[in-house]
Amino acid sequence: QKEVEQNSGPLSVPEGAIASLNCTYSDRGSQSFFWYRQYSGKSPELIMFIYSNGDKEDGRFTAQLNKASQYVSLLIRDSQPSDSATYLCAVSRTALIFGKGTTLSVSS
Amino acid sequence: SAVISQKPSRDICQRGTSLTIQCQVDSQVTMMFWYRQQPGQSLTLIATANQGSEATYESGFVIDKFPISRPNLTFSTLTVSNMSPEDSSIYLCSVQKETQYFGPGTRLLVL
Repeated sequence: QKEVEQNSGPLSVPEGAIASLNCTYSDRGSQSFFWYRQYSGKSPELIMFIYSNGDKEDGRFTAQLNKASQYVSLLIRDSQPSDSATYLCAVSRTALIFGKGTTLSVSS
Repeated sequence: SAVISQKPSRDICQRGTSLTIQCQVDSQVTMMFWYRQQPGQSLTLIATANQGSEATYESGFVIDKFPISRPNLTFSTLTVSNMSPEDSSIYLCSVQKETQYFGPGTRLLVL
């Protein structure tokens, strides 16, 4: 079992819709969870991090964590074409361990 | 935050040669990491670069192939040794401050 799993997509949503990205992890001892966005040809940039069970909101982005289910998700409200990118879920040990990423395509 | 630069930004190399990638941070950091991102893939951790001691390598990566230096708290190098086409990848330096930040990457093509 891979440490961090994501559906590779592509996930296609129309502009203005909610995009839902999901991630599961195998290490129950994981404490910190991150979502990075990566545009083609660029390095990853941090969108959000979450440490505690529940929801964390930042603008159009909401991260959700359920440690019992070993599940973390990212919701993007009012999706824009500029949100089209690969979204990487990462779990923290000493360094970050990444999932394979989900490609999101937002059509106008 | 942290501002990270890498040199070179890209290179094309012949098989059997070696390339050293430099990573410079604008402030002192304890934790520095090297990742590889192969075409169409996610990031794979190569090693943690420790200041004053040997790097800590992840499973599947060895010091002879990827020697790392960390002479101070703002600088590290990664060497890709005896390269083959399978080493063609983006190599990313990363540092840990409030969270983990990434450099712009070094795009390596091995012919």
